[in-house]
Amino acid sequence: DAKTTQPTSMDCAEGRAANLPCNHSTISGNEYVYWYRQIHSQGPQYIIHGLKNNETNEMASLIITEDRKSSTLILPHATLRDTAVYYCIVFDMRFGAGTRLTVKP
Amino acid sequence: GAGVSQSPRYKVAKRGQDVALRCDPISGHVSLFWYQQALGQGPEFLTYFQNEAQLDKSGLPSDRFFAERPEGSVSTLKIQRTQQEDSAVYLCASRSGTGSYGYTFGSGTRLTVV
Repeated sequence: DAKTTQPTSMDCAEGRAANLPCNHSTISGNEYVYWYRQIHSQGPQYIIHGLKNNETNEMASLIITEDRKSSTLILPHATLRDTAVYYCIVFDMRFGAGTRLTVKP
Repeated sequence: GAGVSQSPRYKVAKRGQDVALRCDPISGHVSLFWYQQALGQGPEFLTYFQNEAQLDKSGLPSDRFFAERPEGSVSTLKIQRTQQEDSAVYLCASRSGTGSYGYTFGSGTRLTVV
């Protein structure tokens, strides 16, 4: 069973920030949080990961709460090409259903 | 290679036929996962290798499914006596070491059983 809970779908306006939440209340102290996305008919693409500190790379930012029971992936300026299914998973690489993000013009 | 390569890209099999799906991970990558993804669903874990050792095969749906990685590089997922419910995209992912790095996925093999 997946250890994470995500909303089924979200919409975002092009150019605005997309904030995708994830609950992982049973996460262990040494388990990382990973985010992947999957664009139709492609394999999942790694975005970012973190343990307890907030992380940023060229694709996104990851905010992890102090108790580590939830996190938020932030795409600062969403584009139409960011339309995809976004998966939040913990260390054992079991995927849930993810969040289908639709970026609208 | 530059990425994870899976072959064939598409496979049509008649029900009852055996199939073999190949995964070429990135050179030197130690960890390798196989997933099954049905239409509209998230990837479902099948099995995990660390080098040549199959450390977890709890996700294989039946004894018709078999995976191997004999030399710790290329991996093959074999499905015997294919059934219609085996129709799915089969994904392979690899990663170097056992650290906290992200996995690199292949584009998958789309298997259709008719």
